Amino acid sequence: AQSVAQPEDQVNVAEGNPLTVKCTYSVSGNPYLFWYVQYPNRGLQFLLKYITGDNLVKGSYGFEAEFNKSQTSFHLKKPSALVSDSALYFCAVRDIYYNQGGKLIFGQGTELSVKP
Amino acid sequence: DAGVTQSPTHLIKTRGQHVTLRCSPISGHKSVSWYQQVLGQGPQFIFQYYEKEERGRGNFPDRFSARQFPNYSSELNVNALLLGDSALYLCASSLTRTSTDTQYFGPGTRLTVL
Repeated sequence: AQSVAQPEDQVNVAEGNPLTVKCTYSVSGNPYLFWYVQYPNRGLQFLLKYITGDNLVKGSYGFEAEFNKSQTSFHLKKPSALVSDSALYFCAVRDIYYNQGGKLIFGQGTELSVKP
Repeated sequence: DAGVTQSPTHLIKTRGQHVTLRCSPISGHKSVSWYQQVLGQGPQFIFQYYEKEERGRGNFPDRFSARQFPNYSSELNVNALLLGDSALYLCASSLTRTSTDTQYFGPGTRLTVL
């Protein structure tokens, strides 16, 4: 079965420092991986996705993610954190089996807190 | 362009009642998916519809049903509400149901069951 895990419930970073939010996956076949961000009382906003090709994926708001097949990881990164980046971040994998309709399987989320 | 829209924003119901949630996809998108997000957890897949047909169903009881209309909007219906149905219900749309398509989410409907 497809699954993702976010090993950290919370990540604390000082403004201006680099940030990393971790995600590991378990899939049969090629993984289709996604990152979303959720602000309080809001829906999910798409940040970036990995389908194939370059292992470093660039996304919205200066975020990027590194796909590592050998470590089955897809960590989200940003070189310089902003206070406004504080939010809940979700990693997701696409379940590609027909009878699941291509659903997204989400991790439990990581709360990112960026302090001034 | 407008994103995914959902209505209502908030809803309060009592146990045993029925609820209907609505979703309008991004213009041109033909696939709609529904997710349930319980506080403190990641979203859980409920349904996917594409071209007005159900294409996937998650592990939810038959009290949950949905449909998609000719204009690709969608409704999620929940019967005989339980306290445990209290959650944020998210609708997502995508161009097709291809695995590489991005799903774009609406703001959600917050359902509280008392």
